[in-house]
Amino acid sequence: ETGVTQTPRHLVMGMTNKKSLKCEQHLGHNAMYWYKQSAKKPLELMFVYSLEERVENNSVPSRFSPECPNSSHLFLHLHTLQPEDSALYLCASSQGLSWANEKLFFGSGTQLSVL
Amino acid sequence: AQSVTQLDSHVSVSEGTPVLLRCNYSSSYSPSLFWYVQHPNKGLQLLLKYTSAATLVKGINGFEAEFKKSETSFHLTKPSAHMSDAAEYFCVVSDRRDNDMRFGAGTRLTVKP
Repeated sequence: ETGVTQTPRHLVMGMTNKKSLKCEQHLGHNAMYWYKQSAKKPLELMFVYSLEERVENNSVPSRFSPECPNSSHLFLHLHTLQPEDSALYLCASSQGLSWANEKLFFGSGTQLSVL
Repeated sequence: AQSVTQLDSHVSVSEGTPVLLRCNYSSSYSPSLFWYVQHPNKGLQLLLKYTSAATLVKGINGFEAEFKKSETSFHLTKPSAHMSDAAEYFCVVSDRRDNDMRFGAGTRLTVKP
């Protein structure tokens, strides 16, 4: 158990649906991240929040909308997704704010399928 | 810009034999380097991290990696594979100056009985 919990574990949605992914960390960390893991591709950083402020947005389409209401919770709101958005979405957290040099603690991910 | 290349997409070893997972990197600055492991249906877990201290880094579960600047490599090794080592392994390079962290495409390790 890494201390980072993601729900749901699996999600199937149609292209017109709206859904949200949730991440919670109980480690007292200061930064939280969303990553996308697609088959045969390197992990793609989507968003970084440091002290609840978004500090990185890696050219992610607007159909993905993150929210960080406090340092322990991170959401990814999804709407009008495409089939190519099907992937494993991983949440991570880290203690420090120099986030590119930090040890990351990952959740188990949400396996998303878009039909 | 920096990059990382994992030279093998799949490595298969027999239980009790050595493991070698290869990683080469490209970085214009002194990088930090990491190895993460991902077991099926799990998130990634840090195995070890190099940050310009000792070039031989020891990690969890008997793994270690050696930073070789002249070869721009950071290969992961273990003397004796265990069945529980079967997983996906990711090499990561990061540059603190640019706040840029790049993951390799991963190497799937299979351990045969």
